Amino acid sequence: ETGVTQTPRHLVMGMTNKKSLKCEQHLGHNAMYWYKQSAKKPLELMFVYSLEERVENNSVPSRFSPECPNSSHLFLHLHTLQPEDSALYLCASSQALGGGGGNTIYFGEGSWLTVV
Amino acid sequence: GESVGLHLPTLSVQEGDNSIINCAYSNSASDYFIWYKQESGKGPQFIIDIRSNMDKRQGQRVTVLLNKTVKHLSLQIAATQPGDSAVYFCAENLRTGGFKTIFGAGTRLFVKA
Repeated sequence: ETGVTQTPRHLVMGMTNKKSLKCEQHLGHNAMYWYKQSAKKPLELMFVYSLEERVENNSVPSRFSPECPNSSHLFLHLHTLQPEDSALYLCASSQALGGGGGNTIYFGEGSWLTVV
Repeated sequence: GESVGLHLPTLSVQEGDNSIINCAYSNSASDYFIWYKQESGKGPQFIIDIRSNMDKRQGQRVTVLLNKTVKHLSLQIAATQPGDSAVYFCAENLRTGGFKTIFGAGTRLFVKA
């Protein structure tokens, strides 16, 4: 239990579906992140939120739409995805922006997404 | 450029031996270097970090060494146990142009009983 909870753990969706991934952190952190993890690829940072404001969008296609209604919750809305978007989507949080030195980034267990 | 890479994709060690996982980085503008462990079906878990002005830091059964001259980072695990079997990622935290933590590709550690 890392204090970062992601639902659903597994999701299969068609290319025309709309679905959402949910993340909740119970650590009182101010920064939240979405990462994508594909087979044989490094973790890719997608979005960063600090105090509910998006501070980074790493050239992510618009079919991925993040939402941060408060500092404890983060959503990733999915629409018209492609099969190559199938991956593990990891949510993470930290006390403040950055990693290391007291701002350790804590990850959730991830949501396995399969696009068919 | 900005890149963090690993020398070996897999490492196999005998239980009880010491493990050394290596990582090369290319960016000098990092304030922290971090090691994560990811077990099958789980998210990455923080192991240890080291500030860029340090050469060595020790934790419980783990030691991280930083050689800034050759831009090399290593994680040493003492008395490797079966529970250490996982993928290990190094990461660097950049402080230029805003926040960015870059992860390496990962090394899979197999521990043989």
